[in-house]
This record gives sequence, C-alpha cells and structure tokens, in this order.
Amino acid sequence: DAGVTQSPTHLIKTRGQHVTLRCSPISGHKSVSWYQQVLGQGPQFIFQYYEKEERGRGNFPDRFSARQFPNYSSELNVNALLLGDSALYLCASSFELSPQGYGYTFGSGTRLTVV
Amino acid sequence: RKEVEQDPGPFNVPEGATVAFNCTYSNSASQSFFWYRQDCRKEPKLLMSVYSSGNEDGRFTAQLNRASQYISLLIRDSKLSDSATYLCVVGANTGNQFYFGTGTSLTVIP
Repeated sequence: DAGVTQSPTHLIKTRGQHVTLRCSPISGHKSVSWYQQVLGQGPQFIFQYYEKEERGRGNFPDRFSARQFPNYSSELNVNALLLGDSALYLCASSFELSPQGYGYTFGSGTRLTVV
Repeated sequence: RKEVEQDPGPFNVPEGATVAFNCTYSNSASQSFFWYRQDCRKEPKLLMSVYSSGNEDGRFTAQLNRASQYISLLIRDSKLSDSATYLCVVGANTGNQFYFGTGTSLTVIP
C-alpha cells in the first residue's frame, strides 16, 4: 500500500522565489495537513484541508497558501521565499477530520533550502 | 507559553536501561495525546496514542495525567534501535491540529 507521498524530496530555491510542494494522501484519506519542521524543532502546523475545504490554519504569513484537489491530493505554495523558510515540509493524512484515536500518518517530507 | 514543552535531552543510556520522558501541555481542553518517534532526517512515525487510563505496548508505557497536564513515556529494556527523537504530541481541543514538542533525543549505547 502506498503511504503518504510527497514531491519533490529536496529543493533549493533563491530568496524571493516561489515554490509549490505536492502531497498525495493515503488512498481513502480525505484530510491533508501541512507542517513545517525547522531543524532542532518539532513540526509546526500550517494548514489542514478536509473534503477540499480549509479546516485549520496555523500562525503563518499570507505568503503560505494551500489547496486540496478533488482526488484529495494537495499543494502547498510559498511566495517570496525567505531564508527562514528553509525547513522540512511534512504532509500528514488521515481518514477523519480529527484523528483522535490514530493520529496522522506523515509523508517523508520535502526538504526546502532557501539560499 | 508553548503549547507543549519537553526536555530536549539528550538522554544517553546503556542497553537494557529504563528511561522515562515527560512533557507538559498548556491547554486543559486538549483531547488527544500521542508519542511519535522521529529518526534522523526522517518523518515522524506514530509510536503510540496515550489514553487517560494509561496504556502499554510491549516495552513502552504511556501515561496521561490530566490534572497536572503532563504526559509520560517509559521505555524498558532499551535497545540500540530505540535511538531516535521522541516527540510529544497534543491535539487541539478541535482535534484536527496537532501541537508538537521540540522532541527528546535518546541514544542507547552498547
């Protein structure tokens, strides 16, 4: 069974550029969440989408946006990249909106480096 | 104040030792609690959910103290393969947003 798949795995961008990260959830999962993990820190919540609607937004600037497609895959977009956006971007999927019993399953992430 | 606070360690323990991690959370309305394990440069993976009555999975025991708002993880008979970062995770009262601690680094030494 395919798990949560993310692409690309690694990316190097220049300050001011734009980036699009992609995520395919586990088959049958309707919820996709995005997290940012800076080196030495725990992941921080960016967005959650469920049934193609935004259901949660973390404390990130408007440069960050996301969407979910009819097949439940998702894109995270970041505009006007800053050096501080360098991080591991994790996508997490679940069947339910609130996976209280089973938690989220994470993809292996996209490592973004901004130079 | 951070939503979830953990001692970052590092914890260096010999094989066979028992080690315990604690974390505290700030929102008393939190409904879900987990421990995740993260290996170096890998994604977090669910180790176990934490229930109010406490729960055990092999060598791992998790406990929740709602009154004091802390969660613990006990690892018995440590193995080399237990070396990783252990992330304490608390679900928001809405259930859909997770708050992660900074993680506690464990190294099990031969």
